[in-house]
Amino acid sequence: DAGITQSPRYKITETGRQVTLMCHQTWSHSYMFWYRQDLGHGLRLIYYSAAADITDKGEVPDGYVVSRSKTENFPLTLESATRSQTSVYFCATGGGGSYNEQFFGPGTRLTVL
Amino acid sequence: AQKVTQAQTEISVVEKEDVTLDCVYETRDTTYYLFWYKQPPSGELVFLIRRNSFDEQNEISGRYSWNFQKSTSSFNFTITASQVVDSAVYFCALSSLVTHSGYSTLTFGKGTMLLVSP
Repeated sequence: DAGITQSPRYKITETGRQVTLMCHQTWSHSYMFWYRQDLGHGLRLIYYSAAADITDKGEVPDGYVVSRSKTENFPLTLESATRSQTSVYFCATGGGGSYNEQFFGPGTRLTVL
Repeated sequence: AQKVTQAQTEISVVEKEDVTLDCVYETRDTTYYLFWYKQPPSGELVFLIRRNSFDEQNEISGRYSWNFQKSTSSFNFTITASQVVDSAVYFCALSSLVTHSGYSTLTFGKGTMLLVSP
């Protein structure tokens, strides 16, 4: 049972390039989330999705695009990467209901040069 | 707006000492959940505990215990007899039970780095 996988785990890119981070889950959880983790900021929500084709902005959505055509996948795209987007990105899933518990993937470390 | 404050940026202790990590939250909701997550040096985020706003009983799990006090909006985490393996960043998080979408997102504190030395 793989749970949540993220790919790539590490990525180095250059300013202005488009980058897509992948997130895949095997639990069929309805909700999926993208967070970024930066020193001094903790985890901040970028986007989330309640179901296929339903997405919503989080706290820091600027510069990012998401899509969710299938329940199990939730890719995050940086359309034109900037140095300020250097971060560790975590994907998470949640089953909804009354607990609001979220389960996190292993993270992707992205460096924008 | 919801807010979680973890005032301790970094704590250093010697093995076997007890240590308490503080978490103070702000919310206008009457129903909400509080969480603690652990992030060891390997980087993954590990769920530790969930507590709902109606349950103020303290909880103990092995060397870990949690003290939820609604009157002071605090949800503190104590590790008894700390071990080197407890070294990690610990995050406190808050979510509301009901939103327009029937769900809610998590608001995280900035984390407390705990360093346990032998």
